[in-house]
Amino acid sequence: AQSVTQPDIHITVSEGASLELRCNYSYGATPYLFWYVQSPGQGLQLLLKYFSGDTLVQGIKGFEAEFKRSQSSFNLRKPSVHWSDAAEYFCAVGPFSGGYNKLIFGAGTRLAVHP
Amino acid sequence: KAGVTQTPRYLIKTRGQQVTLSCSPISGHRSVSWYQQTPGQGLQFLFEYFSETQRNKGNFPGRFSGRQFSNSRSEMNVSTLELGDSALYLCASSLGGFRDEQYFGPGTRLTVT
Repeated sequence: AQSVTQPDIHITVSEGASLELRCNYSYGATPYLFWYVQSPGQGLQLLLKYFSGDTLVQGIKGFEAEFKRSQSSFNLRKPSVHWSDAAEYFCAVGPFSGGYNKLIFGAGTRLAVHP
Repeated sequence: KAGVTQTPRYLIKTRGQQVTLSCSPISGHRSVSWYQQTPGQGLQFLFEYFSETQRNKGNFPGRFSGRQFSNSRSEMNVSTLELGDSALYLCASSLGGFRDEQYFGPGTRLTVT
């Protein structure tokens, strides 16, 4: 069955420090992978997506992610975190053949940023 | 271009009642998906509608139902509310193609007492 694991429930970093959020997926075929961000009281905003091709994907707000098939991972990175990056981050996989817009989400990683 | 709108934003209901939530997609989008977000279960897919037809359904009981109108607006209904139905309900709209980006609304916060 398809699944997404985000091992870190909560991460705290200092402003200006680098960030890496981990995501591992389980899927039998080549996955479509996404990272979304959710600020308090808001819906989800797409940061970036991977469908095929270059395994290093650039997104909005200075984020990037790298797809590693051998490790079944799609980790999100940012070289220098800003206080406004504090939010919850979700990794997702999908859609699937016949599943159209169904996405399976990880449990999320809540990011806190210290000044 | 206006984003996805959901109404109401907040709702308080009593166990046993029913509730209807509304989602207006981005203009031109024909697909609307619904998700339930809870602290315990996270984000879970409820169902997707495309051109007034349910195209996919998640693993939720029959108390959860939805529909889509000809203008692509969608409603979801939960009957016989239970305490565990308290959640943030998010809808997302897209053009409907396999790789089309989904745009999420701000959600409806449902509290069941």
